[in-house]
Amino acid sequence: AQTVTQSQPEMSVQEAETVTLSCTYDTSESNYYLFWYKQPPSRQMILVIRQEAYKQQNATENRFSVNFQKAAKSFSLKISDSQLGDTAMYFCAFAYNNNDMRFGAGTRLTVKP
Amino acid sequence: GAVVSQHPSRVICKSGTSVKIECRSLDFQATTMFWYRQFPKQSLMLMATSNEGSKATYEQGVEKDKFLINHASLTLSTLTVTSAHPEDSSFYICSARLGGGNNEQFFGPGTRLTVL
Repeated sequence: AQTVTQSQPEMSVQEAETVTLSCTYDTSESNYYLFWYKQPPSRQMILVIRQEAYKQQNATENRFSVNFQKAAKSFSLKISDSQLGDTAMYFCAFAYNNNDMRFGAGTRLTVKP
Repeated sequence: GAVVSQHPSRVICKSGTSVKIECRSLDFQATTMFWYRQFPKQSLMLMATSNEGSKATYEQGVEKDKFLINHASLTLSTLTVTSAHPEDSSFYICSARLGGGNNEQFFGPGTRLTVL
């Protein structure tokens, strides 16, 4: 069974600083996809970043980047230059072979002015 | 980008009545749609996977006779909560997946159901 673990229920960061959210997963699959989704107070799920397991290069989207360690089954999200609008729940998710997506428990991030 | 809508966004109903929630993919065809339930301050729990033209696959513990899912077209899936009770009150989210194998899902804005 595939499991996703987010060990940080809550985190906070000062505006303009950098924060890293942790995620580990467990799978026996070799080819899969990992995602970070953001859920702001509106509760709309928004894709932040996606990583294909077969790609060694870490994905980057503007201020968001990941540190993908396949052997360690780790997939952390780094948010640089944090902004007030980054305040949200962040979910790490795993999917493979067009099966359903499995989510971690989430990390509530608060960006403080 | 791919857009998924849900209707209604909020619904309040009396105990014992049925409520239908619609999920539409607006600018793409989705052979597979998913229904999630989310309790306050918790993660998304997958309820069922809906494939166009076939019966939905329900997760363990989800009552298929209570949560009826119909995926009648490539752009529409519906979730009907039958004989709703207060414990069914929750936030329901649908998602749709593009073909192509990248496994990405696009999420609707969610529906808040309150059963009195």
